[in-house]
Amino acid sequence: QSVLTQPPSASGTPGQRVTISCSGGWSNIGGHTVTWYQQLPGTAPKPLIYSNSQRPSGVPDRFSGSKSGTSASLAISGLQSEDEADYYCVAWDDSLNGYLFGTGTKVTVL
Amino acid sequence: EVHLVESGGGLVQPGGSLRLSCAASGFTFSSYWMHWVRQVPGKGLVWVARINTDGRTTTYADSVKGRFTISRDNAKNTVYLQMNSLRAEDTAVYYCERDLGGRDDSWGQGTLVTVSS
Repeated sequence: QSVLTQPPSASGTPGQRVTISCSGGWSNIGGHTVTWYQQLPGTAPKPLIYSNSQRPSGVPDRFSGSKSGTSASLAISGLQSEDEADYYCVAWDDSLNGYLFGTGTKVTVL
Repeated sequence: EVHLVESGGGLVQPGGSLRLSCAASGFTFSSYWMHWVRQVPGKGLVWVARINTDGRTTTYADSVKGRFTISRDNAKNTVYLQMNSLRAEDTAVYYCERDLGGRDDSWGQGTLVTVSS
């Protein structure tokens, strides 16, 4: 399927672990790497995870990524107030011959 | 430090044209694929187009194919997005991006394009 589905929202209290899923198909996640972005209000997206599980320099190890089959996940451990943001996954899609972004997940810190 | 600075956004009437520019600095521009991504305010991210390092290979989202053209000038460290036959649904913040999905992924601050009469 040429859509990357994320839950619209996720939440947790400070210190908790939150997991966000990104569900696709064999034309995208199943055959290509996944990247995750964090977007704070009014700012450009910031890369959090590339190649499914790699962190760019400067990204805290509280953020981790994984992929299995046609789904990927982003985990935020030790949730902090500054983690309140929108999160997006993205992967190349062979059917579209282009990149496909996930639907986005808004994380709220309670 | 990597800098990507978009310009050229603004208000344009339906059917009109606009050219966005993205000036790059702080890295070897000619070594990276470049992308444009857009976002309707309050909505999700949508990939628009990409161009390879020498400018000979381009790819577009179906929604802009035939109307938008991505190009680059490696001597000027600049990537462009020529947008023709603009529609109301093209209204969005347009981001310039380096190395989407790669280790060196970087984004500009975005420029707002509004298509309205």
